[in-house]
Amino acid sequence: DTEVTQTPKHLVMGMTNKKSLKCEQHMGHRAMYWYKQKAKKPPELMFVYSYEKLSINESVPSRFSPECPNSSLLNLHLHALQPEDSALYLCASSQTGTRGEKLFFGSGTQLSVL
Amino acid sequence: KQEVTQIPAALSVPEGENLVLNCSFTDSAIYNLQWFRQDPGKGLTSLLLIQSSQREQTSGRLNASLDKSSGRSTLYIAASQPGDSATYLCAVFDAGNQFYFGTGTSLTVIP
Repeated sequence: DTEVTQTPKHLVMGMTNKKSLKCEQHMGHRAMYWYKQKAKKPPELMFVYSYEKLSINESVPSRFSPECPNSSLLNLHLHALQPEDSALYLCASSQTGTRGEKLFFGSGTQLSVL
Repeated sequence: KQEVTQIPAALSVPEGENLVLNCSFTDSAIYNLQWFRQDPGKGLTSLLLIQSSQREQTSGRLNASLDKSSGRSTLYIAASQPGDSATYLCAVFDAGNQFYFGTGTSLTVIP
């Protein structure tokens, strides 16, 4: 199994809603990532979990909250988002998170904030 | 901070043509470089991974080269097909322990 599974594929939410994005991999990888991608732009790193230790991109607003319940699961909790947060949210994993291993991406969640 | 640039931003070629996509990066202290393919609204698929000690990697009709000292990589696609139409991104992993993605090249192969 070389897949990273993301749910849901599409999400529409209002600015007062709370929602969660989910990501799962069964490749035994110990590093998992959240990226945000706006249209026609490269992915931007939001968060990295490596051996359950979180690294944060300090430019990410606190309305995004990651959670790593175990080494196979990664969630992104969303609260009080703004319309400019509308984007494709991508989850990825790699073996250990060091030395630039091959990255495996999920198919993404297309988020629209109204 | 590492900056990764891809030229051209968009490319349109007739089916069967060989083509080259370019990637340049500003800091040569990298561990590896990866080429990805992305279809519209989808995730990224890793095509080729070149370690910093390697000069090139091949997979089927794809060949990627790396010149670390000059901060350049190329992705060569032989005998292009309409199914190759997608956006191609390169990404470097450098001493800052982070992946830096390029701006992407949008490829259209015309039947």
